[in-house]
Amino acid sequence: AQKVTQAQTEISVVEKEDVTLDCVYETRDTTYYLFWYKQPPSGELVFLIRRNSFDEQNEISGRYSWNFQKSTSSFNFTITASQVVDSAVYFCALIGKTGIYNQGGKLIFGQGTELSVKP
Amino acid sequence: NAGVTQTPKFRVLKTGQSMTLLCAQDMNHEYMYWYRQDPGMGLRLIHYSVGEGTTAKGEVPDGYNVSRLKKQNFLLGLESAAPSQTSVYFCASSYSTLAGGPNNEQFFGPGTRLTVL
Repeated sequence: AQKVTQAQTEISVVEKEDVTLDCVYETRDTTYYLFWYKQPPSGELVFLIRRNSFDEQNEISGRYSWNFQKSTSSFNFTITASQVVDSAVYFCALIGKTGIYNQGGKLIFGQGTELSVKP
Repeated sequence: NAGVTQTPKFRVLKTGQSMTLLCAQDMNHEYMYWYRQDPGMGLRLIHYSVGEGTTAKGEVPDGYNVSRLKKQNFLLGLESAAPSQTSVYFCASSYSTLAGGPNNEQFFGPGTRLTVL
């Protein structure tokens, strides 16, 4: 079975604090992709990053960074010097090459972490 | 490019009524998806399509039907709405899937908030 767990339901920080959103996944596939999406209060889902299972290099994009560790099946997301505009629900998701969804690319979503950044 | 658009944005139905949600994408993507988002449950796949004229069931297909008559459009139908179908519905599209490797990220529409009374 494939599963994505985001254990932190809600996180509240004060502006300029660093914050890490945790994501733990389960899959038996050796080939898979992990994603992070942002859902701001306006409701749309914004793609942030994709990482494939063969690339464990960390990635940094401005204030955002991602730490992928296959040994712990984790793909954590850190926001440095958080800002009020970072307030949103963040989803971690997985696509694995499994079963009947092989051709469909079914995204398995975690339950999301609601981040609130206060001024 | 408009990306992925959805109509309508909001809708209120009475139990037993029917309706169709329209999704359109202008990115020439082969793959299209319908998800529903419920509090505390993330997003769940309802149906998907791997190309024009094809559809397949996702994780929670009961009570819904879909059609993909044109590559750019993916319609989601509710034949007899039930209160359990109150949700936010998202359409998404992607250039490829896992099997295709890169460019398999899914792009989402703005969502349709549906309430069934």
